[in-house]
Amino acid sequence: DAKTTQPNSMESNEEEPVHLPCNHSTISGTDYIHWYRQLPSQGPEYVIHGLTSNVNNRMASLAIAEDRKSSTLILHRATLRDAAVYYCILREVPGNQGGKLIFGQGTELSVKP
Amino acid sequence: DGGITQSPKYLFRKEGQNVTLSCEQNLNHDAMYWYRQDPGQGLRLIYYSQIVNDFQKGDIAEGYSVSREKKESFPLTVTSAQKNPTAFYLCASSKTGGAPNTGELFFGEGSRLTVL
Repeated sequence: DAKTTQPNSMESNEEEPVHLPCNHSTISGTDYIHWYRQLPSQGPEYVIHGLTSNVNNRMASLAIAEDRKSSTLILHRATLRDAAVYYCILREVPGNQGGKLIFGQGTELSVKP
Repeated sequence: DGGITQSPKYLFRKEGQNVTLSCEQNLNHDAMYWYRQDPGQGLRLIYYSQIVNDFQKGDIAEGYSVSREKKESFPLTVTSAQKNPTAFYLCASSKTGGAPNTGELFFGEGSRLTVL
């Protein structure tokens, strides 16, 4: 399984943008890049995913490097409720081993008022 | 509302006892997963199932067993063979298949098991 590397922790100020980086240099051509976040004592929550092109949704944006060896999750205006552990995960194409997700350590984001 | 229900939320067990954690989903998802999370750590995959009556071992299956007799249900048994069972257990489900399937996993709220 291809691995991802993320910083252990990051800090942000409320209402400022946050850029969470992820390196995945061994990504294969069919791996999707997924981001989840987890609040304390809760199950992870899907944030966004992409394959090659940049993606936007109501929660965040995902910027994917042209060579796909890195990506960045962008929270446009951080709020206190965005404080969580953010996981960058490579998902195998569904149908290959069930499309399981392999979670790494994630980045713990703290947001200061 | 559709979702995943895990029970119990908290469970205490004596050493040497087996315990079964329940996971039920009404999302009509084919695939279901069990993860284990230790304090300050990421999630580790225990077992997963793509279809009824079939399941595969994840990275840390030793000391655990599962069954998938119904599409909606994927119970996990923590056996006495699991040496360090105290952890937070998370169940998830997803659709399978190709595009436009996002492959999004939906997680339950977790079950916290403590061995006394």
